[in-house]
Amino acid sequence: QSVLTQPPSASGTPGQRVTISCSGSSSNIGSNYVYWYQQLPGTAPKLLIYRNNQRPSGVPDRFSGSKSVTSASLAISGLRSEDEADYYCAAWDDSLSGLFGGGTKLTVL
Amino acid sequence: QVQLVQSGAEVKKPGASVKVSCKASGYTFTSYDINWVRQATGQGLEWMGWMNPNSGNTGYAQKFQGRVTMTRNTSISTAYMELSSLRSEDTAVYYCARGGLHLGESVGYWGQGTLVTVSS
Repeated sequence: QSVLTQPPSASGTPGQRVTISCSGSSSNIGSNYVYWYQQLPGTAPKLLIYRNNQRPSGVPDRFSGSKSVTSASLAISGLRSEDEADYYCAAWDDSLSGLFGGGTKLTVL
Repeated sequence: QVQLVQSGAEVKKPGASVKVSCKASGYTFTSYDINWVRQATGQGLEWMGWMNPNSGNTGYAQKFQGRVTMTRNTSISTAYMELSSLRSEDTAVYYCARGGLHLGESVGYWGQGTLVTVSS
C-alpha cells in the first residue's frame, strides 16, 4: 500500500477534462514538490509535471498540475485516445525517501 | 542529447546478487543525482534510492537498506545498482533516472530499463 494514495482507475471521453488525485501527508506532499508521470505499456515513465506545476519542454499544455496542502492533482484537458495510460504521482518525503503513488489507469472511452 | 543506457537483462538464482549499470551521456555526469526505481510486472513504480555521482553520497529506501549498494565510476560516466540476497519478489524491471527528487529537479531522463528475473 503506497503512502501516496491515487485512485486505481479513471476514465473520460475524448475532449473531456479529467483529473487524477494524489493524497499524501505533511512530510511528503505537504513539504516537498510533486511530480507526475505517464507510463505507456512496456515503456519507461515519461515526466509530465515537476515542481508541482512545471511542464518539461515538449509536454502539451493540456496537462497541468496543482497542489493544495497535502494533496495534488493532475488535470488533462481535451482528452485524446493516446492519453490512455498509467499515471503516477511522486514526491520526496522528509524521512529522506522518494515515494510513488500506486498509479491510476486512465481509460479513454 | 541526454541518454541513460542500461545493461541488459539478467537471470539470477535466489540468494545471488545482480549489478545493473546505467551509462550516462550528453551531459556532465557529476552534475545530477541518479535515482533507481523498479517495477514488478503489472505493478507500480517503487523508488529504491539515489546517488550523487559527484560525492558518491547515497540514500536508500528503508525497504532495501542492507541489500542495495549504489556506486559510480565517474571516468566512464556510469552508475551502478547492486542488489544482493535476491528473492523471487525482486523480479522486476529496474530503471535509472536522472535528477534530484529531493531538490525538485526535473527527473525526466530515464534509462530504458533492465529486466532482472530471479528464478531457481
